[in-house]
Amino acid sequence: KAGVTQTPRYLIKTRGQQVTLSCSPISGHRSVSWYQQTPGQGLQFLFEYFSETQRNKGNFPGRFSGRQFSNSRSEMNVSTLELGDSALYLCASTLIATANTGELFFGEGSRLTVL
Amino acid sequence: AQRVTQPEKLLSVFKGAPVELKCNYSYSGSPELFWYVQYSRQRLQLLLRHISRESIKGFTADLNKGETSFHLKKPFAQEEDSAMYYCALGIRGTSGSRLTFGEGTQLTVNP
Repeated sequence: KAGVTQTPRYLIKTRGQQVTLSCSPISGHRSVSWYQQTPGQGLQFLFEYFSETQRNKGNFPGRFSGRQFSNSRSEMNVSTLELGDSALYLCASTLIATANTGELFFGEGSRLTVL
Repeated sequence: AQRVTQPEKLLSVFKGAPVELKCNYSYSGSPELFWYVQYSRQRLQLLLRHISRESIKGFTADLNKGETSFHLKKPFAQEEDSAMYYCALGIRGTSGSRLTFGEGTQLTVNP
């Protein structure tokens, strides 16, 4: 079956703009989480959605937001972009969403560059 | 707050040598520990999890709650093991899926 799909794969924005990234989970997976990956900070948890509800949120400012649709597809939005938002944004889906024993399946990521 | 530390950013060994990638965690409750791996030009993927107590691609990892460690070991490294390895911590019983990752160790296995 198809893996986690993220679009766009690459994008360039300027400071102050906003961006929307999309993630389609593996069919049947209802939990979608987002991570930011940077050379300096590594992988940091942004948020997690299950059945269209945000269940967990990381320590990121309110400029970072997300949502999940009824078909489990998810989007994340970053408003008022800053240079430090340049990163690889990874989406992951999982089948088991009641406890952290499920395997996360990652997408290839969306690489955002902010100029 | 939970934290995962991988003290080595880079680790280089020769083919056939034993390899150990260190991981220490900070969490007072019941942790779930995982090792994820990213091979060149591939997605991040699960290598193994402590509750399975299995060996994957010759790798094993034992959770030591006394030392709060979850080191990844392989007795004889292969060139195809060269990759970025991340140790990750989840919290058992919490609603939802959230992992805290270490900063990763880049393993290079030389011929």
